[in-house]
Amino acid sequence: EIVVTQSPATLSVSPGERVTLSCRASQTITNSVAWYQQKPGQAPRLLISGASTRATGIPTRFSGSLSGTEFTLTISRLQSEDFAVYYCQHYRTFGQGTKVEIK
Amino acid sequence: EVQLIQSGAEVKKPGESLTISCQISGYSFRSQWIGWVRQMPGRGLEWMGFIFPGDSDTRYSPSFQGQVTISADKSVSTAYLRWASLKASDTATYYCARSGTASIFDLWGQGTLVIVSS
Repeated sequence: EIVVTQSPATLSVSPGERVTLSCRASQTITNSVAWYQQKPGQAPRLLISGASTRATGIPTRFSGSLSGTEFTLTISRLQSEDFAVYYCQHYRTFGQGTKVEIK
Repeated sequence: EVQLIQSGAEVKKPGESLTISCQISGYSFRSQWIGWVRQMPGRGLEWMGFIFPGDSDTRYSPSFQGQVTISADKSVSTAYLRWASLKASDTATYYCARSGTASIFDLWGQGTLVIVSS
């Protein structure tokens, strides 16, 4: 079974900054990779699937990539509405989550 | 508009049975996988399993195999998650979600909070 490790657990950033979240798989993976955003009291929302394809309605400041065992989510310029918890997923395994909080 | 509407919050005692539901509208229910995800209080997401309503093919995560039962009723476009005997550790919010390719969930229900307490 492939283990997915997401880091960091918490990221403190200022609005307007560029943010990169990472997940690492225990072995080389396919592009069955997704990223979700979850705000308090809400269901998760799909941001990225297929490692780099934005879901419908997702702003272009969100981008994803995959290289070997590492997959990343980049938010080019953090907006106030982007403060949330982000989860990666490979196939049927979710990462542990990264909370993006205001610095 | 595609919607996944889940049943309301439940408070149950250990040992009781429970079924929660997820009613789908806005697309062909039988044509896409519907899955369930657990989120324990203050914790992350856990992939539980999913069902293809068209033929009732069901897959479970090893962690949830034998602990829950996933089913679907095409006549009412509804998926279900059932426990035969609840434990306190089943306390969580449960989400249903539509799965496209590769077990990835593109649309989610609003969640059902299940509290199991004596």
